[in-house]
Formats: sequence, structure tokens, C-alpha cells
Amino acid sequence: NAGVTQTPKFQVLKTGQSMTLQCAQDMNHNSMYWYRQDPGMGLRLIYYSASEGTTDKGEVPNGYNVSRLNKREFSLRLESAAPSQTSVYFCASMSGRWVKNTEAFFGQGTRLTVV
Amino acid sequence: EDQVTQSPEALRLQEGESSSLNCSYTVSGLRGLFWYRQDPGKGPEFLFTLYSAGEEKEKERLKATLTKKESFLHITAPKPEDSATYLCAVQAGIQGAQKLVFGQGTRLTINP
Repeated sequence: NAGVTQTPKFQVLKTGQSMTLQCAQDMNHNSMYWYRQDPGMGLRLIYYSASEGTTDKGEVPNGYNVSRLNKREFSLRLESAAPSQTSVYFCASMSGRWVKNTEAFFGQGTRLTVV
Repeated sequence: EDQVTQSPEALRLQEGESSSLNCSYTVSGLRGLFWYRQDPGKGPEFLFTLYSAGEEKEKERLKATLTKKESFLHITAPKPEDSATYLCAVQAGIQGAQKLVFGQGTRLTINP
């Protein structure tokens, strides 16, 4: 019963370095999401994927790329990290079919610091 | 553009003092409105989903209601363990792509 698993939990990067945040879900969900959370800002949508093979931009996509590798995995890549990308990143997944009592399940977050 | 606005940003109550949190939204093709609770250092935890105006759901001291433009989370006789950030989100999508858009949250503190 893993649900949504994010790795790593913590990461410190130097400005200009690249890294990939990994997310995997074991609930056979179609939709997956990447959010960032800054103090007082709630959750802001970076990218989402409604199904395997499709991705769409959210509110704050600049500086990020994503890959929906298969139905289970949705990764977020920072090609050249900037201090403004210091944040807590959350991955979420959702059934994707419109049924009652659907909900989004969240990972535990990745705390990223760019120095 | 889809927008979700929560108010107030922060709320301090005494234990037992009831109140309400507000979530107003402007979206195209609302499919559902969600309430989540988030504790410091953790991911959001699901509370409720509401689908249509007039719908209400309850869980312990919490009750969520929905109108065509906003939702309320009513907290009755809160306890210190109800202290958390409460997040509202809407799922919208006319053409199938299902965005899930969050408000900025209300930070609730219950003093003993």
C-alpha cells in the first residue's frame, strides 16, 4: 500500500545544476500532477498529465520539464536550477475517470534548496 | 482562467469557538471541489469532495458546503488538534484534461 512515492525527500543543489524528481504511484491512476508549495502560497500547479503519453502546463511551468514515462511514473526535471526554485515539491495522482468519491493522493514531498 | 481564493489567510480561535473558512472559485467546467488538511512537513490529507450546489458533507467537527460560487468549511467546537492549514481545490476540465487547482490555504490555529 505505497500510494504515491516521491524521491528524494531532501535535496540541496547549486545554482545551474540539474536534477530529476521522481514520482511513482501504484493505484493505476490516469492523472498525475506536480505542484510546488512556497510559504503562504498554497499549492501551485507546475505540470500535469491526464493520461500516459500526455502532459500539459499548469500555472508555473517555466524552468521545468516533465516526462510521463509510463502509467505509474511522472518525473519533474530542473535543467538549470535557480534559487527561485527553492520550494517543497509535491506529486499527486488521481483516478482520472469522473466517478464519485474520487480524490487526489499526495506524496510526502521533496524539500529542495538551491544555493 | 481558473481561480480559487481562500479566506481568511490565517485564523486564530479559542478551543470551542466555532467559525467558517471560505473558498470562492471561478472555473470552467467544475467537476468537483475538494477540501484537504495539511500538517507542517506533510502532504495534504483528503477531507471531502463536493460535486453540486447544495451538497453538504460532515466529518467529526467539520462540515463542508457548496454553492455555485463558493464553498464553506464549518468548524464546530474545535480542539487544538484541528490546528492545520486547510486547502481548497477545484477539479475543472471541459475537454477532458482534468486540472486540479488549489487556493492558497487558510492557516488555522486553535488555542487551548
